[in-house]
Amino acid sequence: EVQLVESGGGLVQPGGSLRLSCTVSAFTFSSYWMHWVRQAPGKGLVWVSRINSDGSATTYADSVKGRFTISRDNAKNTVHLQMNSLRAEDTAVYYCASSYLSFDYWGQGTLVTVSS
Amino acid sequence: QSVLTQPPSVSAAPGQKVTISCSGSSSNIGNNYVSWYQQLPGTAPKLLIYDNNKRPSGIPDRFSGSKSGTSATLGITGLQTGDEADYYCGTWDSSLSADVFGTGTKVTVL
Repeated sequence: EVQLVESGGGLVQPGGSLRLSCTVSAFTFSSYWMHWVRQAPGKGLVWVSRINSDGSATTYADSVKGRFTISRDNAKNTVHLQMNSLRAEDTAVYYCASSYLSFDYWGQGTLVTVSS
Repeated sequence: QSVLTQPPSVSAAPGQKVTISCSGSSSNIGNNYVSWYQQLPGTAPKLLIYDNNKRPSGIPDRFSGSKSGTSATLGITGLQTGDEADYYCGTWDSSLSADVFGTGTKVTVL
C-alpha cells in the first residue's frame, strides 16, 4: 500500500522557521515528481511547490517564493519543505503529494500554526 | 483568489445525479488537462479523475469528467451518503507557471 507520511509541523512564531518532511513507501519514489499543497483552516487547496524526479528543477507559488525551499533525498524516499520567514497567513495543513497521472497520492497532512 | 471557479455547493437526493462545474481560462483549462479530487470530512484529498475524463483504478464509474473549451465538469450519478465531501478541480496554469485548484464545491446528499 502506498503511504506518504508528513512530519515536522507545529506552532512557530511569526518570522520563524520550520522544516517539513514527507517519507514515502511502496512506490518507486525516484520516478515521481513531488508537491506540497496547503489548506488553511476552513479554506480550499492551494498548491505551494513542486520538485522533479531527480531534484534538478523546482517551482514555487508566488506567495512563498524566496521564503520556502523544496528538496528531496531519493536514497531516503523523502521530500522536504524548508519554510523561513513564516507569516500568520502560512497557517495551514500542509500535504505532500506525488504526481504521475496527476496528484495521485496524498499524505495525511501536518498542521503548521504561525502565531505569537 | 483562485483562477478556477466552482459553485460553493450542490445537493441532491440519494440515487440522483449532480454535476459540478469548473470555469477557467485559456491559460489553464483551455490548454491543459483537468483533474478532480474528493476530500471527505477530516481527510486528505483523493484523486477521482485525471486527464479530463480518466478514472484511476478503484474509482467507480459513477464518477465522470468532461471538458469543453475553458470549462470542465464532474458528474456523480447514483448519489450516496458516502459521497458527501468537498470536490476540487485542478490543472496547470501556463501563465502563472503553477498548479492551480478550484475554489471547491461541497456536495450534500439530502
